[in-house]
Amino acid sequence: AQSVAQPEDQVNVAEGNPLTVKCTYSVSGNPYLFWYVQYPNRGLQFLLKYITGDNLVKGSYGFEAEFNKSQTSFHLKKPSALVSDSALYFCAAPRAAGNKLTFGGGTRVLVKP
Amino acid sequence: EPEVTQTPSHQVTQMGQEVILRCVPISNHLYFYWYRQILGQKVEFLVSFYNNEISEKSEIFDDQFSVERPDGSNFTLKIRSTKLEDSAMYFCASRQGTSGAYNEQFFGPGTRLTVL
Repeated sequence: AQSVAQPEDQVNVAEGNPLTVKCTYSVSGNPYLFWYVQYPNRGLQFLLKYITGDNLVKGSYGFEAEFNKSQTSFHLKKPSALVSDSALYFCAAPRAAGNKLTFGGGTRVLVKP
Repeated sequence: EPEVTQTPSHQVTQMGQEVILRCVPISNHLYFYWYRQILGQKVEFLVSFYNNEISEKSEIFDDQFSVERPDGSNFTLKIRSTKLEDSAMYFCASRQGTSGAYNEQFFGPGTRLTVL
């Protein structure tokens, strides 16, 4: 069975410091991985995805993610966090083409001024 | 920029009542989904819909649930007889059907359902 895990419930970081949100996966076959962000009272917004190719994927709002096959990880990163990055972040994997997304438990990011 | 919309934003109902949650997916999208998120828990898949039929459903999606695309724009989720445990945030999502099977899903803002 496919699964996605986010080992940290919350990440606290000072504004201007690097931000990392961790995700590990367990999928059969080639992994396809997404990151979404949820701001308060908003829906899930797509940030970026890994399908194939370069292990470093760049996405919206200055975020990037590094795919590491040997460690089965897809960590989300931002070199310099902003207070406005405070939100709930979800890692997700589609089970197969066009099919349901399996989500990690979410990581709440708090960026302090 | 096109977006998925959902109404109402908050629905309060009595246990045993029927509710219909409404979604308007992005207009050129062909795949539609419902997910739910119970407070403090992860987002869970309920059902996917393509070509006017259910393509996949989870074990949560029992006979109390149904989905419909009554016209060219709306996509609805009906819960026939609500239970307390149906209280959750319900998200609608849609996806393009063009090449690139792993196109991302676009989510609506959600409907918070409270069953009393």
